[in-house]
Amino acid sequence: GDSVTQMEGPVTLSEEAFLTINCTYTATGYPSLFWYVQYPGEGLQLLLKATKADDKGSNKGFEATYRKETTSFHLEKGSVQVSDSAVYFCALSDHSNYQLIWGAGTKLIIKP
Amino acid sequence: GAGVSQSPSNKVTEKGKDVELRCDPISGHTALYWYRQRLGQGLEFLIYFQGNSAPDKSGLPSDRFSAERTGESVSTLTIQRTQQEDSAVYLCASTRAGISTDTQYFGPGTRLTVL
Repeated sequence: GDSVTQMEGPVTLSEEAFLTINCTYTATGYPSLFWYVQYPGEGLQLLLKATKADDKGSNKGFEATYRKETTSFHLEKGSVQVSDSAVYFCALSDHSNYQLIWGAGTKLIIKP
Repeated sequence: GAGVSQSPSNKVTEKGKDVELRCDPISGHTALYWYRQRLGQGLEFLIYFQGNSAPDKSGLPSDRFSAERTGESVSTLTIQRTQQEDSAVYLCASTRAGISTDTQYFGPGTRLTVL
């Protein structure tokens, strides 16, 4: 069945460091891919998404490119801030129904 | 309201007691999801409502769990005879049309602790 695998956390970085959070997936066909973020004390919210191969989703300085050849959707940011500290979830939709397949989440800690 | 709301935000209960969790979706959203999030883990799908269709209950872990939704409004998740393994954050999300590519809008969750 479909699945999403994220790098384990926590990931701890200093402010202004470059961030990569790895996400790989297994799915038949051409899924849509998502990153959701959960800030402390807040609900999960969509960060960015991509619906077809080679698409790049971007928001708030974060980017992720849908790579079908490597079945990946890695999240990147060039210079992280303390306010980026959160849990990040990668997810996919295989379009067969209404459900998303979720990764386990990666906790990101940014130190000043 | 502007977003999805859930109540209570925290619930501490004793093993064996029943609890009821509430979710108010965004007005006009036809689809509503309940998830469970155990500490340090991903989201576990519980149940899905879409309009007046029969709900998808395939994710409910046992018959102690049930949920209701009246039309396209409030939903309640009930856990009977709570067990310690039920301790988790219960999340509710709504979407406009219930298509998997729709953005899911989440509430802040209810943290349930079973002593």
